[in-house]
Amino acid sequence: ELKVEQNPLFLSMQEGKNYTIYCNYSTTSDRLYWYRQDPGKSLESLFVLLSNGAVKQEGRLMASLDTKARLSTLHITAAVHDLSATYFCASNKFYFGSGTKLNVKP
Amino acid sequence: NAGVTQTPKFRILKIGQSMTLQCTQDMNHNYMYWYRQDPGMGLKLIYYSVGAGITDKGEVPNGYNVSRSTTEDFPLRLELAAPSQTSVYFCASSSRGETTFRSSPLHFGNGTRLTVT
Repeated sequence: ELKVEQNPLFLSMQEGKNYTIYCNYSTTSDRLYWYRQDPGKSLESLFVLLSNGAVKQEGRLMASLDTKARLSTLHITAAVHDLSATYFCASNKFYFGSGTKLNVKP
Repeated sequence: NAGVTQTPKFRILKIGQSMTLQCTQDMNHNYMYWYRQDPGMGLKLIYYSVGAGITDKGEVPNGYNVSRSTTEDFPLRLELAAPSQTSVYFCASSSRGETTFRSSPLHFGNGTRLTVT
């Protein structure tokens, strides 16, 4: 049983387009984290979402949390090549999703 | 400002050998974690610690041991290396745990790439 499920697992998009990554979780904790990992590198924290309805934004990325639906989204606005990376969501610090590999094409 | 430091960066082990992966942090964080990341996959929690002298198992603890004698250090020991332990290992720390009202994200080290042949 997957505790944290992300989709899509791969995402190829053009610069300037919008898209959303979905993170469903089945754990009891309602704390949700988003991380970014560049190829061959470590993970970097993007957002910490602690309560229902929480919304955080940083540049072209916006994350939200719906604890009733056990769903978090990471929305990308007007993608640029620099956003190419793998994005992970994590339910508390124990369970990570498989990651969404994002490739933004110029 | 070093943050979380892991050594070594790379290691090749033969089946049955033992080794210790070192992890140290200089942020005075009580909470420390060990994860493994298999190719193309997310992270799996091996062990974690909520403070010096206290450790607990994560999702995939078999084949590993840990100790936490100081706040700064959290080494991970592989006693009898097996090919299934080929992976990238990440150590992380945080200032708060999950039972506190406020939480804090993980700060990761740069990882140790381990190959067992």
